[in-house]
Formats: sequence, structure tokens, C-alpha cells
Amino acid sequence: EAGVAQSPRYKIIEKRQSVAFWCNPISGHATLYWYQQILGQGPKLLIQFQNNGVVDDSQLPKDRFSAERLKGVDSTLKIQPAKLEDSAVYLCASSLDWDRGLYEQYFGPGTRLTVT
Amino acid sequence: KNEVEQSPQNLTAQEGEFITINCSYSVGISALHWLQQHPGGGIVSLFMLSSGKKKHGRLIATINIQEKHSSLHITASHPRDSAVYICAVEASGGSNYKLTFGKGTLLTVNP
Repeated sequence: EAGVAQSPRYKIIEKRQSVAFWCNPISGHATLYWYQQILGQGPKLLIQFQNNGVVDDSQLPKDRFSAERLKGVDSTLKIQPAKLEDSAVYLCASSLDWDRGLYEQYFGPGTRLTVT
Repeated sequence: KNEVEQSPQNLTAQEGEFITINCSYSVGISALHWLQQHPGGGIVSLFMLSSGKKKHGRLIATINIQEKHSSLHITASHPRDSAVYICAVEASGGSNYKLTFGKGTLLTVNP
């Protein structure tokens, strides 16, 4: 079974530039998560999708971050414009479902973003 | 205060030693997860538990719901166990399955 795919693996941009990350979840997984992990900290949930609908985006900085999951499969996360404090690893994860809980999340390799 | 606290933050051991990493949380939970993250790599789920104890190979995870505490043990540690170990909890009573993560424990096992 293929895992969660993410691209690119690394990205370096200057502040005020834009950047987009892509995630392809495990086939059949209805729930998709985007996390931000700043160095030395645990992951922080940015947004959670159930199929193509948003379940939770309470911690997404909506003035600069946006995400979509068209057709309920792949997802993109965009930052526009980027700030220095956005430097982090962006992790995508998927799980079979969410409303019954206790489903394992499967994580992708992450995209390491450096904003200079 | 974070909802999920891990200790120690950093741990260095010699190959073969018995390792214990602790996790305390402050909210009611429906499940607790232990995850492993290698440098430059993604996160792998090790255990998901809501009570008692689970064992997989050299890894053992325990949870005490009353004390809001969990431990991850590694027996006969090996350099390939070197990684960050993260505890995450799923709060109970909510309508959304959302994990809250600890900051992780960096384990280094020397040969």
C-alpha cells in the first residue's frame, strides 16, 4: 500500500513570496490533515478535511494560509505572502475516517520550508 | 501549561539500556498515541491506546487513565531507535477527532 505522498520535500523562499505544497493521501482515506511543525515542537493542526469539506481550520492563519481538497483526494496548502516565522516542516496525514475516532493517522514525509 | 507534557526532553543512552519516556496530559482523553519521527523523515505511528498496555517487539506502551499518564518503554535499545518520540492525545467528548501533540523526546542511543 502506497503511503502519503508530499511534494516538494524542501523549499527555500524569500519572505513575502508565495509557496504551495501538495499532498496525496492513502487511497480510500476520507480524512486529510495539514500540520505545521516548528523546530523543537510537536505538530500543530492547521486544517482538517473530511472528503472535500473542512472539519476544522480554527488554527489556520487565514490571512495568509489557504488550503483546498478538490474532489476529496489530493490537497494543496498555500502560503501567500510568507513570513519568516512560517519556516517549519509542513506535514500531511490521512486517516480512514474521523467521526468515530480511534483511527490511526498516517503521515507523509513532510515539506521543510525555509523562509529567508 | 501545555495540555501534553513529555519528559525528558532529551535522552542519551548506551546500546542495550532500558529506556522510559513519560507523557502526562491534563484533559480527558479517548485515546493516546505514541509516534516516532526520524530526522528528516516523516512520522510513524507506534501505538494507539485507551487503556492498559500494548507491546510490539521491543516497544511497550502503558497508560493510566486515572493518573493521566502514559509511558513508552524500549527494551534492549539499539542505535536505530534514535529518533524523536512524540506523545499525542485525542480529547474526549468532542465532535472532532483531533490530536494534541507533545513537544517530543529526542532519544539518542550510542553504540
